[in-house]
Order: sequence, then structure tokens, then C-alpha cells
Amino acid sequence: GQNIDQPTEMTATEGAIVQINCTYQTSGFNGLFWYQQHAGEAPTFLSYNVLDGLEEKGRFSSFLSRSKGYSYLLLKELQMKDSASYLCAALDSNYQLIWGAGTKLIIKP
Amino acid sequence: ETGVTQTPRHLVMGMTNKKSLKCEQHLGHNAMYWYKQSAKKPLELMFVYNFKEQTENNSVPSRFSPECPNSSHLFLHLHTLQPEDSALYLCASSQDVAGSYEQYFGPGTRLTVT
Repeated sequence: GQNIDQPTEMTATEGAIVQINCTYQTSGFNGLFWYQQHAGEAPTFLSYNVLDGLEEKGRFSSFLSRSKGYSYLLLKELQMKDSASYLCAALDSNYQLIWGAGTKLIIKP
Repeated sequence: ETGVTQTPRHLVMGMTNKKSLKCEQHLGHNAMYWYKQSAKKPLELMFVYNFKEQTENNSVPSRFSPECPNSSHLFLHLHTLQPEDSALYLCASSQDVAGSYEQYFGPGTRLTVT
């Protein structure tokens, strides 16, 4: 079956760095997305990786290893507004998104 | 402003009621989606429309009935729901269904079935 695993909850300190991991098993693979969802709001797109390596976008970076079925989202210089859920989703061979349950990130002062 | 709007934002309905959720996208996209989001669970894809045609129906009970009159509007008609249907219902759109296009989400309708 198809599956996405990511931690349920993580806690980090303002100003620090946090890495949110995601492992996936899909029928074929056409890329991996990360979305951010603040409580009570819509998910919003953060990143898309289809090739191995690190993609940097400001304070956020996303990494992909296709051979390991593994991705991570790296958040630097954490701010209180980064408190949110982070959703990992893999695109399978039919271009259908397989979603993880999300990682709730709590930032403490 | 995400370009995708949903109404109502909150809905409380009894099991015998009939109601409809509405979604509108102002992005010129061709694909629209309905998702169900329950606490601590992955997003569940319910229906997919591409150019107004339904391309996906993920074994959704018939008490949920989608309607897509044009590429900009999507409805979800609800009738005789169960308490376990209480969830956040999200609408999304993307440029197309095939390809690595990001999806743009609406704010959702928080549905409570009593």
C-alpha cells in the first residue's frame, strides 16, 4: 500500500533550527510536496522536490532522497508564527497526492 | 487571499438535513478537488474534477454528492449524514490534474453533524 510517515508533534525554541522528517512508500513517484497549515486555516504550498538534493527558499529548505524514500523540511531562525502543522505529500505514478497526517510544530519562546 | 473561497465556513446540521457546500476559485485553474480533513489523520481525497468532468471518486458514500457546473465552481451536496462525517471539508484547485502542479486550498467548511 501507499504510505507517508511523519512525526505527530515536535517542539522547538524560537530562533533555533528544526528538521521535520517524512518517509514515503508510493506506487511510482513524481515528486514530494510540503505544505504549511496554521490552525483553522487552509494549507499553503511551501516546496516541491522531484530531484535528489536540497532546495533552499529563505528560512525554509527541503531535502529529498529518492533512493531512501525520504524527505525533510528544515526551518531556520524559528519564529513564533512558524507554529503550525506541516504536511508532507508524495505524488504517485498516477499524479495522485498521498498525504501524511501532518506534523504539529510548537514553537516556545 | 488564496484565490479559493468556500462557504459556509461553519455548518451544523442534523442527520436528516440536506445542505450544500460551495467552492469558487478565481485562479483560472482546470482542476478542482474536495478533501475531508479529520483530526490527526491524512487528508482524504473525495472527488476530483478536471474541466468540469469527474475523474476521481474515492469510494465516497452516496450521501455526499458533488456537482461541478463549470471550472470555477464546485459544490458538495450533503444529505442524511452521520456523526462521523463531522470534519473540515477543504476545496482545492490546481492548473491540471496531471503533473506536479501545486494545489491551492480554500479555508474550509467546519462541519458538525448532530
